[in-house]
Amino acid sequence: QSVLTQPPSVSGAPGQRLTISCTGSTSNVGPDSHVHWYQHIPGRAPRLLIHDDTNRPSGVPDRFSGSKSGTSASLAITGLQADDEATYYCQSYDSSLRHYVFGAGTEVTVL
Amino acid sequence: QVQLHESGPGLVKPSGTLSLTCGVSGDSVDNTKWWTWVRQSPEKGLEWIGEIYYNGGANYNPSLRSRVTISVDKSRNHFSLKLTSVTAADSAVYYCARRDFLASSLESWGQGTQVIVSS
Repeated sequence: QSVLTQPPSVSGAPGQRLTISCTGSTSNVGPDSHVHWYQHIPGRAPRLLIHDDTNRPSGVPDRFSGSKSGTSASLAITGLQADDEATYYCQSYDSSLRHYVFGAGTEVTVL
Repeated sequence: QVQLHESGPGLVKPSGTLSLTCGVSGDSVDNTKWWTWVRQSPEKGLEWIGEIYYNGGANYNPSLRSRVTISVDKSRNHFSLKLTSVTAADSAVYYCARRDFLASSLESWGQGTQVIVSS
């Protein structure tokens, strides 16, 4: 059971908009914590998609965006494409546990 | 563009020591970065193991601290993980990653290496 809660799976048709939630607590998703998002395709290195709640690293398409409100964060994917099929993980630092924590991951399927 | 590559035995005996190395290219382990180990198993998902700074300062997951050592070898430009007294619960895909000094995100990752603990 992960400290950060994500839905196990979401799906959508090409071109649609998907959102993935990441729910935590004040010790890991709050005003003093940053949430990051990763895309992982099996056999490949995980890829940082969003850092510090809303920021995209260079090279990440603007179809990916992040937001945070209270103790929940979200990743949105617009204009869904076939190569967006992957598992997406959220991550933050937990000030009570004193280490980095991850969500269990959300598998995205493009119908 | 930094590249990270994990290497080491894919099979470790119970009660033995798991030893992995992360080779770094495109960057120096002597730079002001945190060099990190993360593992992934079906049971626990992604689990942060620990990290080491270029000057040797290290942070470990409290649940693993008694068994983990992370070290850096500047001459070979790699960093290493040792996990002692392993059990089947330590079977996982092990990833190395890089974190910027002031960030809390892992900006670059290796592809991971599977380690199975079995006799």
